[in-house]
Amino acid sequence: QKEVEQNSGPLSVPEGAIASLNCTYSDRGSQSFFWYRQYSGKSPELIMFIYSNGDKEDGRFTAQLNKASQYVSLLIRDSQPSDSATYLCAVNIGDDYKLSFGAGTTVTVRA
Amino acid sequence: ETGVTQTPRHLVMGMTNKKSLKCEQHLGHNAMYWYKQSAKKPLELMFVYNFKEQTENNSVPSRFSPECPNSSHLFLHLHTLQPEDSALYLCASSHDRGRKPLHFGNGTRLTVT
Repeated sequence: QKEVEQNSGPLSVPEGAIASLNCTYSDRGSQSFFWYRQYSGKSPELIMFIYSNGDKEDGRFTAQLNKASQYVSLLIRDSQPSDSATYLCAVNIGDDYKLSFGAGTTVTVRA
Repeated sequence: ETGVTQTPRHLVMGMTNKKSLKCEQHLGHNAMYWYKQSAKKPLELMFVYNFKEQTENNSVPSRFSPECPNSSHLFLHLHTLQPEDSALYLCASSHDRGRKPLHFGNGTRLTVT
């Protein structure tokens, strides 16, 4: 079982719609969860982090964490063409210093 | 994002060359990381330094040699690489290993010929 799993996509959504991305992880003891956005040819940039169960909202982004079910999701509301990118889920696995990444979900927002 | 600076941005090297990648962070972080990103694969953690002490070597071949002279600088020395080592090499830093967000540099696109 992979440590962090994401659907690779591509996920295609129309402009203005909600994009929903999911991530599952294997380590029940994980405490820190991050979402990064990576444009083609660029490095990952942090868009959200969440440590507690529930929802966390930041602008058009909402992260949702359910530790009992071992999944974390990212919602992008009012999707814009500029949101077209690969979204990486990252979870701390095992010892504190190991942050494991999923393979990423590619999102395409159609104008 | 200029908090983490990597040089060079692109590097082409032959299999017998020796080169070094450099990373510098201006964020006051105490942990620094090297990640490898190959096409269609998740980011792979290579090395972790905390307060300039290496705390992780993720089964990386010896042809990759890290160096961390202080908490702000990190190097990756390369020698006798293989074509399959061609990838994007990313440096990152954070306040607290694993629990706080990583801040990435722009990466070095490495091509081994």
